[in-house]
Amino acid sequence: EAGVVQSPRYKIIEKKQPVAFWCNPISGHNTLYWYLQNLGQGPELLIRYENEEAVDDSQLPKDRFSAERLKGVDSTLKIQPAELGDSAVYLCASSPGVSTEAFFGQGTRLTVV
Amino acid sequence: AQSVSQHNHHVILSEAASLELGCNYSYGGTVNLFWYVQYPGQHLQLLLKYFSGDPLVKGIKGFEAEFIKSEFSFNLRKPSVQWSDTAEYFCAVAGFQKLVFGTGTRLLVSP
Repeated sequence: EAGVVQSPRYKIIEKKQPVAFWCNPISGHNTLYWYLQNLGQGPELLIRYENEEAVDDSQLPKDRFSAERLKGVDSTLKIQPAELGDSAVYLCASSPGVSTEAFFGQGTRLTVV
Repeated sequence: AQSVSQHNHHVILSEAASLELGCNYSYGGTVNLFWYVQYPGQHLQLLLKYFSGDPLVKGIKGFEAEFIKSEFSFNLRKPSVQWSDTAEYFCAVAGFQKLVFGTGTRLLVSP
């Protein structure tokens, strides 16, 4: 069974540029998460989807971050414009339902210069 | 709000030593508990989980964890570590529709 697939694995952009990350969750998983992980820290939730509905986006900086999950499958996370402090690893995870174990992708390491 | 505390940020052990990593959480309701591991260059993987029943749960690679409800703890243990256990370990708690992670413990096992 294929796991959670994220792309790209690495991205280097200049500040003020836009960037987008893509996630394909495990087939049949209704719950999709985007987490941010800074060096030496644990994953911090940005947004959680149940199917196509964003049910928890309280930690998403909405002035520059946006996300969508069309048709309740793939998801994209966008930053526009990127700032130096956005440099981090962006993790996507999916699960059969909330409160069950989440399966993580490899992450996208973003470097903003 | 839920929170998870991992008190050991860095742990260095020799092979065959015993391991215990602490995890405490704050949430008054029913929780599901997890330990994840992240080996160098790899993605987060589930080590073990607790939903209900026997509070002593066994996971992969000889790891186990004990849920002590009265202490709000879910400590990870392994009787004898190996060099290949070098990794970062994250405790996570799923409460009311939230999956929250601790800050992680970086374990280095020297051969």
